[in-house]
Amino acid sequence: DSGVTQTPKHLITATGQRVTLRCSPRSGDLSVYWYQQSLDQGLQFLIHYYNGEERAKGNILERFSAQQFPDLHSELNLSSLELGDSALYFCASSVDRVFLGQETQYFGPGTRLLVL
Amino acid sequence: GENVEQHPSTLSVQEGDSAVIKCTYSDSASNYFPWYKQELGKGPQLIIDIRSNVGEKKDQRIAVTLNKTAKHFSLHITETQPEDSAVYFCAASKGSQGNLIFGKGTKLSVKP
Repeated sequence: DSGVTQTPKHLITATGQRVTLRCSPRSGDLSVYWYQQSLDQGLQFLIHYYNGEERAKGNILERFSAQQFPDLHSELNLSSLELGDSALYFCASSVDRVFLGQETQYFGPGTRLLVL
Repeated sequence: GENVEQHPSTLSVQEGDSAVIKCTYSDSASNYFPWYKQELGKGPQLIIDIRSNVGEKKDQRIAVTLNKTAKHFSLHITETQPEDSAVYFCAASKGSQGNLIFGKGTKLSVKP
């Protein structure tokens, strides 16, 4: 158990809908990273939040957004869903007290999203 | 941007044999290289990592080597066991950017 929790575990929805994925980092970790895992693209970085502020963006679609709240949990919002958005979505957290990168990232169990 | 290539995509070994997975990276500024193991239905789990100021690191049956000049790093698993069967991912990141760039993964099967 990494200490990172994600809800829900599974999500089935229809095209055009909007969903919210939730991540609670390990106690004390300031950074939350979101990754998407699909069969064709592998594990891809989406977005990074550090202590409530957006730090970096990767291959994140404009239909996707995220935020990190004062209690450090994070939510990933996916809207106008398409069939191709079906994937596993992972969050990872790291302590990054003095932000230098290179800190171990601990991954949650993921949310499996299926868009029908 | 950074690109990480990983080989082989599948690897099958007999229990007790060694397994080696190799990765190359493109950005010479990358300085942190973790390896993750992912079992079916679970999130990636860190098994070992190495920073660019070190050439080799060992942890029991697992070792990682880094060649900064050639921009490649490798995972070595000795005395493999059936429970080592999983998908292994290498990754790279730069100190200024914490996000990881992953290789495509290696499915390791250890046959009893």
